[in-house]
Amino acid sequence: DGGITQSPKYLFRKEGQNVTLSCEQNLNHDAMYWYRQDPGQGLRLIYYSQIVNDFQKGDIAEGYSVSREKKESFPLTVTSAQKNPTAFYLCASKTVYGYTFGSGTRLTVV
Amino acid sequence: AQSVAQPEDQVNVAEGNPLTVKCTYSVSGNPYLFWYVQYPNRGLQFLLKYITGDNLVKGSYGFEAEFNKSQTSFHLKKPSALVSDSALYFCAVRDSAGANNLFFGTGTRLTVIP
Repeated sequence: DGGITQSPKYLFRKEGQNVTLSCEQNLNHDAMYWYRQDPGQGLRLIYYSQIVNDFQKGDIAEGYSVSREKKESFPLTVTSAQKNPTAFYLCASKTVYGYTFGSGTRLTVV
Repeated sequence: AQSVAQPEDQVNVAEGNPLTVKCTYSVSGNPYLFWYVQYPNRGLQFLLKYITGDNLVKGSYGFEAEFNKSQTSFHLKKPSALVSDSALYFCAVRDSAGANNLFFGTGTRLTVIP
């Protein structure tokens, strides 16, 4: 069963702590994306990667970092520099129909 | 530059009535337009797309959308709403140059009242 798997579903971060959100796909897609979703603001692009070992900043990259060492994996690290990280994070890959999304990770600062 | 506007944050409709969720866009070149639906704590699911061809596009779950070039609109419609259609709906336009990324509207919450 092909798709995008995001883990964990819920994540709690303490102040000053880095956390990494996992995104894995078995769809053999080249392009992958990370979005942040806040109420009333839609989806905002954090980072994207068109191919392995290459990635580009999106509209709100500050305080985040990514890697793309394998085609299947595109992890997102939320660093302590991100001052307001509480949000719903969505990973996606590009298809001919647009995008396929994972089920998301809800990150909360405690 | 491309942009998408969803002018209504919330749409309420009675079950069995027709529904419309509005979307207007701005893009240079030919528009590639999409509708997605999101249920609580889930990712977005693809509903339909317009690339070229007929202005009326049919998609999943009985939804359809009408592309209107002169009004730069791509409204989502359904003839008879179901309670299970209650969700958050996003319109998106694809970047016509460069990385061909999708730009999303802010979303419209549809509530179908039994």
